[in-house]
Amino acid sequence: GQQLNQSPQSMFIQEGEDVSMNCTSSSIFNTWLWYKQDPGEGPVLLIALYKAGELTSNGRLTAQFGITRKDSFLNISASIPSDVGIYFCAGPTNRGSNYKLTFGKGTLLTVNP
Amino acid sequence: NAGVTQTPKFRVLKTGQSMTLLCAQDMNHEYMYWYRQDPGMGLRLIHYSVGEGTTAKGEVPDGYNVSRLKKQNFLLGLESAAPSQTSVYFCASSEPRDRDSYEQYFGPGTRLTVT
Repeated sequence: GQQLNQSPQSMFIQEGEDVSMNCTSSSIFNTWLWYKQDPGEGPVLLIALYKAGELTSNGRLTAQFGITRKDSFLNISASIPSDVGIYFCAGPTNRGSNYKLTFGKGTLLTVNP
Repeated sequence: NAGVTQTPKFRVLKTGQSMTLLCAQDMNHEYMYWYRQDPGMGLRLIHYSVGEGTTAKGEVPDGYNVSRLKKQNFLLGLESAAPSQTSVYFCASSEPRDRDSYEQYFGPGTRLTVT
């Protein structure tokens, strides 16, 4: 089945630093989603990307749909303590009407105040 | 709107016991999903439903059953719990409409421990 590889697996940064993480796929996607999961909570959708090359921002977060359609990137600028959590990328499992998603294993972000 | 809600939030079972996890959504979404999350494994799809009265197997369906008798509810059952089913379970829903049909909205999760 399809696999999404996220890197890095974890990051430890100081408050105020910028963060970059990425997600790669073995197959072409037409949609990329980025979710954040706070400790003890369910994942929350941050950004959705629908077109190759698309760059979309949500506050301090910016995500890009790679030109090859096999990768996506998420950047966080000027990190703050509440950015702590697990960041997941997700993409369609297959084309069809069931709209299933395949998730990466996540990037665990720790921000030191 | 409450979005997606899950009950219970925590549960401890003994091996062999059964239980049902309830998921409810008030967004009138057509599609609903059950996932499990284990450390280092991300989210894995157990079962899903594309409409009232329909269910289908996901990536890891063994040991679980589901039912979607009402559009707003999606139940996940464990007939005979095993320690390997210790996990955090998430329900999600989505609505098929144009390009944003893949956007799924998650509940807060149920933490299940099987001893």
